[in-house]
Amino acid sequence: AQTVTQSQPEMSVQEAETVTLSCTYDTSESDYYLFWYKQPPSRQMILVIRQEAYKQQNATENRFSVNFQKAAKSFSLKISDSQLGDAAMYFCASYSGSRLTFGEGTQLTVNP
Amino acid sequence: GAVVSQHPSRVICKSGTSVKIECRSLDFQATTMFWYRQFPKQSLMLMATSNEGSKATYEQGVEKDKFLINHASLTLSTLTVTSAHPEDSSFYICSAISSNEQFFGPGTRLTVL
Repeated sequence: AQTVTQSQPEMSVQEAETVTLSCTYDTSESDYYLFWYKQPPSRQMILVIRQEAYKQQNATENRFSVNFQKAAKSFSLKISDSQLGDAAMYFCASYSGSRLTFGEGTQLTVNP
Repeated sequence: GAVVSQHPSRVICKSGTSVKIECRSLDFQATTMFWYRQFPKQSLMLMATSNEGSKATYEQGVEKDKFLINHASLTLSTLTVTSAHPEDSSFYICSAISSNEQFFGPGTRLTVL
């Protein structure tokens, strides 16, 4: 079984500033992937970044990066130089055994 | 990336009727598709895993006779909500796997009056 926990229901950040969204997970699988998805008001799920559990190096995609702490089962998302278009619901997710499990989500507000 | 479509994008129906939602992988073949349900301000909850050519696997608590899933081809899975009731009103999202990544459809908003 997998569980994913996001302890921050809401976060806010000033435009151009940096924000970190927290996520912890638990899985009995040794082979798994971790994801952050963005869901804007359109409700289309958009992949932000992915991390293979066997890779020690933290994934980075432009302004988005993760801090993957495997021993602590932590997978936080850092958004640098926040933009108004980053405002959305962000979901952390764990994938293993052909199953994707989502956290509860964090609603991010970007203030101009 | 791969593209997944859903039809319709929104549907309103009367209580007691059945509604079919289609999920298509447009530029890849998907032996496995997933159906999720999302209530307002909540996360996505997996309802079932749809396997091409075989029966779907339902999550605990999901009524298989109410939520009929058919995956007759490598590019199409359908979810039929039978005898819909107002409590079935929700946002339904499908996804399909390509290269170890799940690609999501745009979702279908179902409103049952």
